Formats: sequence, structure tokens, C-alpha cells
Amino acid sequence: GAGVSQSPSNKVTEKGKDVELRCDPISGHTALYWYRQSLGQGLEFLIYFQGNSAPDKSGLPSDRFSAERTGGSVSTLTIQRTQQEDSAVYLCASSLVHSSGGLYEQFFGPGTRLTVL
Amino acid sequence: GNSVTQMEGPVTLSEEAFLTINCTYTATGYPSLFWYVQYPGEGLQLLLKATKADDKGSNKGFEATYRKETTSFHLEKGSVQVSDSAVYFCALIMDSNYQLIWGAGTKLIIKP
Repeated sequence: GAGVSQSPSNKVTEKGKDVELRCDPISGHTALYWYRQSLGQGLEFLIYFQGNSAPDKSGLPSDRFSAERTGGSVSTLTIQRTQQEDSAVYLCASSLVHSSGGLYEQFFGPGTRLTVL
Repeated sequence: GNSVTQMEGPVTLSEEAFLTINCTYTATGYPSLFWYVQYPGEGLQLLLKATKADDKGSNKGFEATYRKETTSFHLEKGSVQVSDSAVYFCALIMDSNYQLIWGAGTKLIIKP
């Protein structure tokens, strides 16, 4: 597709269960980002992938959160043993990267709304 | 640390009114500044941006000027439409970093 896609669009789960959220970036975009948007708040950075470099995981809120990016394209964000405070919209974005390392505009997917009961 | 502060919403205006949404920032250095918009049921979209002081970003009738002296990037539109109803986010990025730092968002409601 032309844009960033995410699946599922909505996920309702029970406390303690694991969930996987998927992101398909725009083809050719080497940079991929995960953000979390909690109700009434701005976006919170979670993790950044750039090519084959080690990802920046500094934004992950706990060790229950992990993410991987296979083949430099699709990414999966996994939340283990979900808690109610994990309820939020999880947004994925991708961008091109300048040869100098600078970034182009980030394009966002529609998000996955996660509800933990 | 670096941060972005936006005026709280919701902001409710009548159609054809003048719009200002305030955004100020704190940064150690010279960031690039952005306004993103999130229409109901849709993903975030870049509305406009400015990469250096005194630059003016503009798109769809919206404008914002990068003011280094007041560390501001206020969003303005001369005549709003119902279709402008959305949540608007101000954000910055430092050249040396890749993390967008976001304001909390301002919900705009335009009544016909």
C-alpha cells in the first residue's frame, strides 16, 4: 500500500495476556518508530529502528515491552502480561533518512487501539 | 530537557472565525518545528513545518512562524471551516536526534 499500515485496528485483551501489534512501513523507508498515545495526552516515544543499526529502546516503559523489525521492513511490538495502564493507542511511523543521517518527515499509520480489561 | 507546551483545549469556534493555537517550546539548541493534525478516525498527518528561525510554514490555509526570540510556533488560520475540526499537535525534533517531542494536543471544534 501507499501508506503505513497497522494491525489490528482494535484489540481488547484481558489483564495478564500477551499482545502483538504489527506495523507495515512505507516501502523503502529505513526508519521506523513506535509511539504510544494515551487518552488526553501527547505522544510518547517508545522505540526507533534505523536500518541494521541497534534499535533505540530508551522509550520502552518496562521490560514487558519489546519490539523487533524483521528484514528491515515489518515491525512487531509485543506487550507481555498486559496491565490496564497499557491501554492506549499505539502508533507506528516510518521515514526516509538523509545520507547525512538527518530525517525526512515521519508518516504515521492509523494506530492500534489497545484496551486491557 | 526539550519540551513542547500547547494551549489546552478544546477550542470551540464558529465557522469563518480566526484561529490561533499557541505552541511554545524549550530546547537546548535549534530544533525543527512541526504541526501535525489528526482528523477523527484518521492517522496523524504533517500539516506544516519550519526548520529555522523566521521560517513560515503554511498549508491548507494554516500558517505558523518559527519565532526564536519567543520560542514559539503558534498555528493560525484566517477563516476556519467545519472540516478543520481535529486534534492539532505541535512537535519539535533536534538535528542531533530523531525523537519527535510532542505537545499534548489541542482539540479544535468548529461549529457551523
